[in-house]
Amino acid sequence: DTGVSQNPRHKITKRGQNVTFRCDPISEHNRLYWYRQTLGQGPEFLTYFQNEAQLEKSRLLSDRFSAERPKGSFSTLEIQRTEQGDSAMYLCASSPWGGPYSYEQYFGPGTRLTVT
Amino acid sequence: AQTVTQSQPEMSVQEAETVTLSCTYDTSESDYYLFWYKQPPSRQMILVIRQEAYKQQNATENRFSVNFQKAAKSFSLKISDSQLGDAAMYFCASPAQGAQKLVFGQGTRLTINP
Repeated sequence: DTGVSQNPRHKITKRGQNVTFRCDPISEHNRLYWYRQTLGQGPEFLTYFQNEAQLEKSRLLSDRFSAERPKGSFSTLEIQRTEQGDSAMYLCASSPWGGPYSYEQYFGPGTRLTVT
Repeated sequence: AQTVTQSQPEMSVQEAETVTLSCTYDTSESDYYLFWYKQPPSRQMILVIRQEAYKQQNATENRFSVNFQKAAKSFSLKISDSQLGDAAMYFCASPAQGAQKLVFGQGTRLTINP
């Protein structure tokens, strides 16, 4: 399967703990995005990488959130000192750079985070 | 787009019938893309159809087609011959102005009645 993959699929953690999620994009895509989706809502943008460079961050991405994409391949999203309000589905997407399809984003299955 | 609005939180249709989902957006750009994504229950979001704003012809993908009204900033999705597998949340989306991120509408939950 050459689609976007995310791990873990589900994560339950206690408030105050740190969590880390991983995203592996489609291999030939050099753009990678993180979104957050709460129940019954559309995804909201968190951050975006082109290769290893983090080019844009949303105001939703507080200081407790950090994302990396070393070597421009997989990406990790870490949430420190989790709060109950962080409970959501975290979606990763990727897209190619340039060409007519550069705006098309392909999504992974998401990581559902529950903070108790 | 700066904002994308889906005014129908829920829609239902009889199997084999046709249904239209509405979407309006706000942008000051002259060329842009519009997308419809489908998110089945507990499954990942998949791209259904795309429209490039400079193309006057409405996009079509098998049973899915769009009605793109650029002046009205309207982008509706028509599903013909609805099937049980079409049941899902449908999201309209467009890239934010001058940015790569997608801006999504609130979604429409589509139910297919057998």
